[in-house]
Amino acid sequence: EAAVTQSPRSKVAVTGGKVTLSCHQTNNHDYMYWYRQDTGHGLRLIHYSYVADSTEKGDIPDGYKASRPSQENFSLILELASLSQTAVYFCASSGTGKDTQYFGPGTRLLVL
Amino acid sequence: QQKVQQSPESLSVPEGGMASLNCTSSDRNFQYFWWYRQHSGEGPKALMSIFSDGDKKEGRFTAHLNKASLHVSLHIRDSQPSDSALYFCAVSENSNNRIFFGDGTQLVVKP
Repeated sequence: EAAVTQSPRSKVAVTGGKVTLSCHQTNNHDYMYWYRQDTGHGLRLIHYSYVADSTEKGDIPDGYKASRPSQENFSLILELASLSQTAVYFCASSGTGKDTQYFGPGTRLLVL
Repeated sequence: QQKVQQSPESLSVPEGGMASLNCTSSDRNFQYFWWYRQHSGEGPKALMSIFSDGDKKEGRFTAHLNKASLHVSLHIRDSQPSDSALYFCAVSENSNNRIFFGDGTQLVVKP
């Protein structure tokens, strides 16, 4: 089965600080995604990428940047973390935009 | 605007019972449908996909798609406590390069 790993698995950050979440996939997939999930709710797409060195905005990109330095790696960057960004963040990958997505285990972020 | 509406928001069934989850999309261009399942503390995992009208059965799980009404359902027979999870419906269209997820149905199977 496709493998997607995320680091760190949990993080506590201070308001105004910089946070970087990392994602690595070994599936040779072209597409990678970052989602946010608030407690008990659905998945909201932040950024995605279908080729290295290029990223696209999703539905809630404000306050987030993304970086895709290689096919395997996709990072989510919070330049100035805010309380409202406390959530669980999931990375996913897929072969094409219409294929099944494979999710990582998530990163639990708490901003204080 | 929400692309995908799921109902009910939560559902409780007894062990061994039938659970029925519903999903309706708002765009006739959506042609591809998935059901994902997320256990507490884990990432979502694809349960099954359905791209053609009719039924698709995988073990205890049956998905039914009606493209004319933009409706897909998931039926879980002989529900087990391990089926307790958050279930997402997801849709995609030919011209798009992403999937849209619904807000999910929380299923609880009581022993």
